[in-house]
Amino acid sequence: DSGVTQTPKHLITATGQRVTLRCSPRSGDLSVYWYQQSLDQGLQFLIHYYNGEERAKGNILERFSAQQFPDLHSELNLSSLELGDSALYFCASSVAPGGVYEQYFGPGTRLTVT
Amino acid sequence: ILNVEQSPQSLHVQEGDSTNFTCSFPSSNFYALHWYRWETAKSPEALFVMTLNGDEKKKGRISATLNTKEGYSYLYIKGSQPEDSATYLCAFGSSNTGKLIFGQGTTLQVKP
Repeated sequence: DSGVTQTPKHLITATGQRVTLRCSPRSGDLSVYWYQQSLDQGLQFLIHYYNGEERAKGNILERFSAQQFPDLHSELNLSSLELGDSALYFCASSVAPGGVYEQYFGPGTRLTVT
Repeated sequence: ILNVEQSPQSLHVQEGDSTNFTCSFPSSNFYALHWYRWETAKSPEALFVMTLNGDEKKKGRISATLNTKEGYSYLYIKGSQPEDSATYLCAFGSSNTGKLIFGQGTTLQVKP
């Protein structure tokens, strides 16, 4: 158990809908990262927040947005969902920003868009 | 576009065999190289973070080396066991953002 929690574990929804994925980092970690794992793709970096502020954006669609709250939990909002958004979404946390810090991954949320 | 390549894509070995895989990454602007182990139905688990050329890290039967000048890292597993069966991912770490760029992984299957 990494100490990172994600809810829900599974989500099935229809095209055009909007969903929110939630992540709570390990105790003491200030950085939260979101990654997407699609069927034929490796883990793709989406976005990074550090202590409530956005630090880096990766291949994140405009239909997707995220935020980190004062209690450090983070939410990833996906709107106008398309079939291609079906994927496993991971949240990870680290104690600080920067590539030298280990990232601890949550169990993931599997999103299925029908 | 920064690319991280891993080879082989998959590997089948017998219990007791030693094995190794390769991760290749751009040698310019190197900051950190991560190795993760990802078992089926679980989440990726950090094995090593390596930052210095010539770094060698070890955890039990698993070890890794790093060559930043030529842009590669090797992961070695000595005396593979069935519980080592997993996908092993390497990731290139960015300096101040923490963004990780992952390779596609090497999937190891160890047969008893």
